Amino acid sequence: NAGVTQTPKFQVLKTGQSMTLQCAQDMNHEYMSWYRQDPGMGLRLIHYSVGAGITDQGEVPNGYNVSRSTTEDFPLRLLSAAPSQTSVYFCASSRRGVLGNEQFFGPGTRLTVL
Amino acid sequence: AQTVTQSQPEMSVQEAETVTLSCTYDTSESNYYLFWYKQPPSRQMILVIRQEAYKQQNATENRFSVNFQKAAKSFSLKISDSQLGDTAMYFCAFMNYGGATNKLIFGTGTLLAVQP
Repeated sequence: NAGVTQTPKFQVLKTGQSMTLQCAQDMNHEYMSWYRQDPGMGLRLIHYSVGAGITDQGEVPNGYNVSRSTTEDFPLRLLSAAPSQTSVYFCASSRRGVLGNEQFFGPGTRLTVL
Repeated sequence: AQTVTQSQPEMSVQEAETVTLSCTYDTSESNYYLFWYKQPPSRQMILVIRQEAYKQQNATENRFSVNFQKAAKSFSLKISDSQLGDTAMYFCAFMNYGGATNKLIFGTGTLLAVQP
């Protein structure tokens, strides 16, 4: 099992550019989520999904879109990047509900918006 | 809403010594999970230990143990026989039990440096 994979590992964007952060898992997990990590703020939930076709907003969703067309993939889209979106992004997955009390994290993507 | 507070931004410990990292949380729920995650310089998030709130016994994993005080809403992590590889950022996290979602709420982290 590859676990949770994220691409790219590093990315530099200019303000206003768009891009998609990719996340995939091969553990057949129902629950997937995106977090951003900023200095002094821990990890904050952006969006999450409890299964294919179902997504919902987390704590800091503005400026980000997600979709979940398959169980395996959960891409995060930045439609018009802003310097405030400079951060490290983590994707995580788990079983749903009480079985999902351990989340598995990807290696993260460091994004810089100039 | 639940919150998690880590009041120690940085800590330092000598190799082979014991160190305790603090975490407090706020919730009105009676059943939940608490976690400690380790993030070494590689950036990978690694689960260190987890505690289920309905279990009174404190969780232990080798050199890592917790002191779970439910009434005080406190969840500290003790690292015994500290090793250089324990140098990392440590995050305390909360998850509701049995909900439809598995949202994790993180504290702001404690950066632990193990000195040789």
